[in-house]
Formats: sequence, structure tokens, C-alpha cells
Amino acid sequence: GAVVSQHPSWVICKSGTSVKIECRSLDFQATTMFWYRQFPKQSLMLMATSNEGSKATYEQGVEKDKFLINHASLTLSTLTVTSAHPEDSSFYICSAQPGQGPHEQYFGPGTRLTVT
Amino acid sequence: QQPVQSPQAVILREGEDAVINCSSSKALYSVHWYRQKHGEAPVFLMILLKGGEQKGHEKISASFNEKKQQSSLYLTASQLSYSGTYFCGTFGSYNTDKLIFGTGTRLQVFP
Repeated sequence: GAVVSQHPSWVICKSGTSVKIECRSLDFQATTMFWYRQFPKQSLMLMATSNEGSKATYEQGVEKDKFLINHASLTLSTLTVTSAHPEDSSFYICSAQPGQGPHEQYFGPGTRLTVT
Repeated sequence: QQPVQSPQAVILREGEDAVINCSSSKALYSVHWYRQKHGEAPVFLMILLKGGEQKGHEKISASFNEKKQQSSLYLTASQLSYSGTYFCGTFGSYNTDKLIFGTGTRLQVFP
């Protein structure tokens, strides 16, 4: 089956530092990857859509200069949280799909970010 | 706009049935259902397409009413492993790849 990995699974950083999260599709090529954020006891909120070789499309209210997304290859997308603050602490989940359009998405295991 | 799920939470005894509803204010092309355990990523359950048939596994099935812009997930003879939070995810059209998650329904199954 389709597998998506994320690294790291858990990270603690100090306020003001930057954190990079990697999302990899291990056994398929993902033309599109998505980044979600989930606060405790809430739903997953789409942050941005990442297409290989082009700029990410950010959802309304998501600061593109703060959450930098790079989709350098068909198997790797990265999310960098720049100048992290405690309010950025959350569960970040990526997903990937092999093609475009409304297909099944395969989710990574998530990254728990805590900013102190 | 985010689809609204009901109920917000439900508690069951093993073997009982449950229905979870997902309602959207926008026209839908397809509906996905996911289950998420605490601290884990969502796990795909099934997809329902516009004009398609009801789909499901043995004891988990779902329906999609395009006109009402609603979907329902049916859990039959629930098992302890069914516990978790259920999310519907919706696509507005074939041309979009943005999956919008519903508000979620927490399900707890006790022995």
C-alpha cells in the first residue's frame, strides 16, 4: 500500500527558532502534497497545497512567509516553520496523492511541534 | 466552508450501532471518511463519489445524498477498535484536489 513518512515525529524548539518537517511518499510519486495543522480536539485544517516544481498554494489566513513549503521532487515536500512561537505548537500532518483531482489521500504519521 | 458533523460525540457499548452524519453547505463531488486515533494520522475508510453507489466494508458502510449535500457513516455491531474520532472529508468538484475536513465526531466504544 501507499506509505507516507514524516520526520521528525516529535520536536521541541525554543521560541524564535526555525523547524523543518519532511514529508516523503515512499512507494509512489506524489504530484500533490498537502499540509494540515491540527490543534487538540479539533479537526484537521488545510494549510497549503504543494505541487512539485511550483509554488505552494496557501489557504486563507496562513502566512506564507512563516510557513515555507518546498516540493523539490515527486517524493519530498518540506514545511519550515520560521521564527516559531508557542502559538505555533500543534500537530502537523502531511498527505500525498498520486494524481490530481479528488482522489484518496495518504497521510503521514504527523509531527508534534512544541515551541517553548 | 467546513462540513458540519453530528453528533459531536457518541458513546456505545460493544455490539451497538451508530450513525454519523456529515452535512455541507456547498455542492459535493465526493465524500471521504477517515478515522483518527489519538496522536495518530487519519486512516482512510472509504470514498463515495457523486452518482456512485453506497460503499463500505462488512460492518462500516456509508451513503451519499448529493441533493441534500449530506453523507452518513453507518457503524454496525461496533467493536472496541472502532473508538476514535471520525472525520468526513469533502471535495467540491472533480477539478479540485482540496480535501476539506468536517468538524469531527468522537466515538467511544466500551466493553
